[in-house]
Amino acid sequence: EIVLTQSPGTLSLSPGERATLSCRASQSVSSNYLTWYQQKPGQAPRLLIYGASSRATGIPDRFSGSGSGTDFTLIISRLEPEDFAVYYCQQYGSSPRITFGQGTRLEIK
Amino acid sequence: EVQLVESGGGLVKPGGSLRLSCAASTFTFSNYPMNWVRQAPGKGLEWVSSISSSSTYIYYADSVKGRFTISRDNAKNSLYLQMNSLRAEDTAIYYCARDWGSPYYYFDYWGQGTLVTVSS
Repeated sequence: EIVLTQSPGTLSLSPGERATLSCRASQSVSSNYLTWYQQKPGQAPRLLIYGASSRATGIPDRFSGSGSGTDFTLIISRLEPEDFAVYYCQQYGSSPRITFGQGTRLEIK
Repeated sequence: EVQLVESGGGLVKPGGSLRLSCAASTFTFSNYPMNWVRQAPGKGLEWVSSISSSSTYIYYADSVKGRFTISRDNAKNSLYLQMNSLRAEDTAIYYCARDWGSPYYYFDYWGQGTLVTVSS
């Protein structure tokens, strides 16, 4: 079973700053199968990045994803007030078919 | 705009059953795999089950295997989750999510969720 570990658990930053979120897998993950979501309180998750680095439709270019193998990163280049939320990485595998990281809470400093 | 609307949640006693539904609209439902994902109060996301577009392939998380059954009716554009032998730890918001499928397997649209509470 592949386990995804996200760090940090909580990230405190100010608007305009750069955010770097990490997702580490316990075994190698195909880049095609690594996805990032954003979730705001009371809302369903929203697709941000798929295939490790491809932005979903309508996602601003301040969001970028990178990585391969066991280490993946989500970067928000200049934080906007609406970016403060919880971010999850997700991978597709064999058993279990889908796993999520535990999430990183991005909060306003 | 793709719409996914869950229903069927509520309060149920431990050991009880519940059937969730997810009504899909404004896309060709029969072309897409679908999933259920849950989120316990204040916790992270947990994948529950997946079903392929024609119901040929079905997968479950170990935590629900043998208790939950996923199904779909492509004629009715609907996804279902039959939940039996419910436990307190099944308390969560249950989301249905559309699966893009190969080669990326990401969830591009999610419903608003339905709350299931298992308590005596």
